[in-house]
Amino acid sequence: AQTVTQSQPEMSVQEAETVTLSCTYDTSENNYYLFWYKQPPSRQMILVIRQEAYKQQNATENRFSVNFQKAAKSFSLKISDSQLGDTAMYFCAFMKTNAGKSTFGDGTTLTVKP
Amino acid sequence: DAGVIQSPRHEVTEMGQEVTLRCKPISGHDYLFWYRQTMMRGLELLIYFNNNVPIDDSGMPEDRFSAKMPNASFSTLKIQPSEPRDSAVYFCASSPPGPVNQPQHFGDGTRLSIL
Repeated sequence: AQTVTQSQPEMSVQEAETVTLSCTYDTSENNYYLFWYKQPPSRQMILVIRQEAYKQQNATENRFSVNFQKAAKSFSLKISDSQLGDTAMYFCAFMKTNAGKSTFGDGTTLTVKP
Repeated sequence: DAGVIQSPRHEVTEMGQEVTLRCKPISGHDYLFWYRQTMMRGLELLIYFNNNVPIDDSGMPEDRFSAKMPNASFSTLKIQPSEPRDSAVYFCASSPPGPVNQPQHFGDGTRLSIL
């Protein structure tokens, strides 16, 4: 079974600065997908970024980027130029290829301070 | 695209009562997931369906919980009888078919309080 570990329950960052959220996972699969989801205080969970394991290039979506280290089974999320609206809980998730479900980490609560 | 629609948004009821949570997935999505979120346990997958068929219900906590998906556009999660420890936020999510793995689209959740 796959496991996803987010070792930082809470983090904070000053507005406009950069923060990195860590995620590690354990799997024997070679092909899989990784996701970061954001859950703001409004509750709805939305996708931030995704990474296919077969792609060596790190995914980037505007201010959000990942550092995917397949050998180390690490998938960290970097948020640049943090904004107050980035305050949320962030979940890392793993999905095997052709699997229906994802395995989620316990989440990291990020607070962006003005 | 209306997104995943859950109802009610909030539910407060007394223990022992039956509770029914409803979900309408995004049209065209063939996976539907029910999650429970609490401070203590985080996000737990309860059950998921593919093409209206339950695939994995190993996360359903006990027989008091049941889920159905009578058609592609509707699913229910029922708790009978409810207990205070069932208090949580329940999320429904859906995702489209392949060929590549797709992220899940979540509803706004139902905040359930059992008194």
